[in-house]
Order: sequence, then C-alpha cells, then structure tokens
Amino acid sequence: QKEVEQNSGPLSVPEGAIASLNCTYSDRGSQSFFWYRQYSGKSPELIMFIYSNGDKEDGRFTAQLNKASQYVSLLIRDSQPSDSATYLCAVNTATSDKLIFGTGTRLQVFP
Amino acid sequence: GAVVSQHPSWVICKSGTSVKIECRSLDFQATTMFWYRQFPKQSLMLMATSNEGSKATYEQGVEKDKFLINHASLTLSTLTVTSAHPEDSSFYICSASASGRGWTDTQYFGPGTRLTVL
Repeated sequence: QKEVEQNSGPLSVPEGAIASLNCTYSDRGSQSFFWYRQYSGKSPELIMFIYSNGDKEDGRFTAQLNKASQYVSLLIRDSQPSDSATYLCAVNTATSDKLIFGTGTRLQVFP
Repeated sequence: GAVVSQHPSWVICKSGTSVKIECRSLDFQATTMFWYRQFPKQSLMLMATSNEGSKATYEQGVEKDKFLINHASLTLSTLTVTSAHPEDSSFYICSASASGRGWTDTQYFGPGTRLTVL
C-alpha cells in the first residue's frame, strides 16, 4: 500500500466550478499535511498546510482533514484556467522531517 | 518570506564531467535542506536530507559518492553530480525548512535546476 495516495486524474472541471482533490495516507501517526501546486516544468509551490481535524480556508482554497479516516482534501472554489496544474499532497510524520508525496492529481479547468 | 533560490536554473554538460548546483534560503535559516529529482511526467523522488554541519542522509538506491551534498551554512546547500552521464539528466529541486520547531516545519521549494548531460 502506498503511503500517500492520490487519483492521478486528469480531473476536468469547468471554469467557475468547485474542484475537489482527495488524498489518503496510511500512517496514523502523521501529524501535518500539505498541498502543493506544480505547474508543468516548474517546481512545487506551497498552497496550504493543515494540522488539525476540520477545515482550513485561505481565499479560494479550503483544506479538509479527517484523521480518523486518514483523509485530506483540497477544495478550489471558482476554479480558473490558471488553476490547471498538478496538485501534490504531502504528509509529514512526528518522527521525520521528510515529506511523503503522493503522485499528484492533474487538474484541468476549461473555459 | 520563505524564498529559496537555486543556481543554475539549467545546465548542459558533457558526459563524464561534474556539475554543482547551489540551493540558498534567502530570508530564513534552513537547518534542513532536501534534494529531490524529478523525471518527466513522474513524481518527485527524494534523494537526500541535508542538515547543516553534518553528513547528508541518502535515500535507498541513491549513490552518495555520485551525488555529493554539502550543507556548509544555514543558508546554503550544494549538490554535486560527479561524472555525470546521460541518465542523470533530470530536474533537480531543493527544498528548505527551518527545522528546530519539530514536525510542523514546512518545506519551501527552490525553482529547480534542469540538467542535461550530452
């Protein structure tokens, strides 16, 4: 079982819609969770991090964490074509500084 | 804040030569830096974790004698690809975190270095 799993996509949504990106992780001891965006040919860019169960909102982005279900998601409201990228879920643990990355979900927002 | 730079952004070299890539944290002190490699259409692969003033910790399967890492200061880590071969051609990305605050540290990525070995 992969440590961090994401659907590779592509996830296609129309402009203005809500994009929902999901991620599951296997280590129940995981403490912190990150979402990065990576445009083609570029390096990852931090969008949000979340540590506590529940929702965390930042502009058009909302991260949701459910530790009991080992599930973290990212909602993008009012999706724009410029949001088209690969979204990487990453999980840290209490025993390491390393990030465990999922393989990413490719999001396509069409006009 | 939390800006990480890399130099060079791209490099082309001949097979058998060595290439050095620099990673700098510009506005914070990074006691831990990470080096990743990413092949086209593949996910990030962690190569090594670098702590200031100590030897790097390499991931399984990464040759430490081929990929030399030096983390000489709190703002600079270097990766040297020695005796590069075409199969080393890849996108090399560093990240930095301000360790010392435990597991809540966030990694900030540099812009990456694209290496092409002819």
